[in-house]
Amino acid sequence: QKEVEQDPGPLSVPEGAIVSLNCTYSNSAFQYFMWYRQYSRKGPELLMYTYSSGNKEDGRFTAQVDKSSKYISLFIRDSQPSDSATYLCAILVGGNQFYFGTGTSLTVIP
Amino acid sequence: ETGVTQSPTHLIKTRGQQVTLRCSSQSGHNTVSWYQQALGQGPQFIFQYYREEENGRGNFPPRFSGLQFPNYSSELNVNALELDDSALYLCASSLLRQGFHHSTYGYTFGSGTRLTVV
Repeated sequence: QKEVEQDPGPLSVPEGAIVSLNCTYSNSAFQYFMWYRQYSRKGPELLMYTYSSGNKEDGRFTAQVDKSSKYISLFIRDSQPSDSATYLCAILVGGNQFYFGTGTSLTVIP
Repeated sequence: ETGVTQSPTHLIKTRGQQVTLRCSSQSGHNTVSWYQQALGQGPQFIFQYYREEENGRGNFPPRFSGLQFPNYSSELNVNALELDDSALYLCASSLLRQGFHHSTYGYTFGSGTRLTVV
């Protein structure tokens, strides 16, 4: 079993839609959860960072962690064409390395 | 404040050759991590360097090696290249503060080096 599994997509949504991106993880001891956005030909950039369980909101983005079911989600409200990218969930482990999901490619159609 | 810069941006090598990739960390950062991202996959951790020493390693063979220099820049060396080494190689820098055992969220990634092995 992989440490992090991510719904692969791809996803294609109309502008203004709510987008839900999801990952599951294997180890209940994991505590630091991130969402990265990666545009084509670029490195990942940090979108959201969550420690332990709960929700965290930043503008149109909400990150959610459910430790009881080992499930992480990213919600994007009022999606924009500029949100078109690959979204990677990531877990910081051992203080020095990330386990990344395989990424979900999102296209927002104007 | 400068970000993470990697060079070269693209590289084509022949199987069996050796390659060196370079990374300049973000100003103020003291730790460098390297990741391999195959097409359609998430990045895989290769290793991290802190204070010029390896500070953790992923599941990569010894032909993947690295260096960190006093100015915190870093090199990734890969010997005896194989076709499966074709990937985007990402460098990420972070700040590890004394008394903390990890950098949590402050990682900045470069745009990567695209390596093609033929």
